[in-house]
Amino acid sequence: DTEVTQTPKHLVMGMTNKKSLKCEQHMGHRAMYWYKQKAKKPPELMFVYSYEKLSINESVPSRFSPECPNSSLLNLHLHALQPEDSALYLCASSQAGVPNTGELFFGEGSRLTVL
Amino acid sequence: QQQVKQSPQSLIVQKGGISIINCAYENTAFDYFPWYQQFPGKGPALLIAIRPDVSEKKEGRFTISFNKSAKQFSLHIMDSQPGDSATYFCAAGTYGQNFVFGPGTRLSVLP
Repeated sequence: DTEVTQTPKHLVMGMTNKKSLKCEQHMGHRAMYWYKQKAKKPPELMFVYSYEKLSINESVPSRFSPECPNSSLLNLHLHALQPEDSALYLCASSQAGVPNTGELFFGEGSRLTVL
Repeated sequence: QQQVKQSPQSLIVQKGGISIINCAYENTAFDYFPWYQQFPGKGPALLIAIRPDVSEKKEGRFTISFNKSAKQFSLHIMDSQPGDSATYFCAAGTYGQNFVFGPGTRLSVLP
């Protein structure tokens, strides 16, 4: 069983809506990640938080806004999305505070559909 | 230079056979090479990883072979089982930096 929990599992939203994706881990990991995955494609990195501070932003449009309230929680706020933003959004965590220095633990993802 | 190439795109193997997936990279600074396995409806999970100071790493039925001079690495799944049917992603990266996933290989193991 995954120890990274994502909610909701499915989300349908209109282009004018504001919604949030949530991620939680209780493994004491110090880095947390948001990835976007389109069908039959690999995950693409969006954001990395290291010690609760944003350390990597892969030039993601401002309609995606990440937030790390504490070391266990990671949110992704969504606003004015486009239909092409429909995808599986994966949260991940890793033990070390330095990003990408070990195993990534992924959640099962939130499948987002933008109408 | 950041790209990781992966082949084949899809693979069908009979139960008990050997599945082989190959990856190649260009950036000589890469020093971490993980393989992730993803089942439908699930997030990826680390299968096995290797660093360039060894040429081979084996964990159960899964083996990574690494050729530093050719900048290639491969995953071998021995005695493939239907439960191994999944999408496999190789990846490559540098300590502390983002690592890049390959495009993926969809493996089907026939019973």
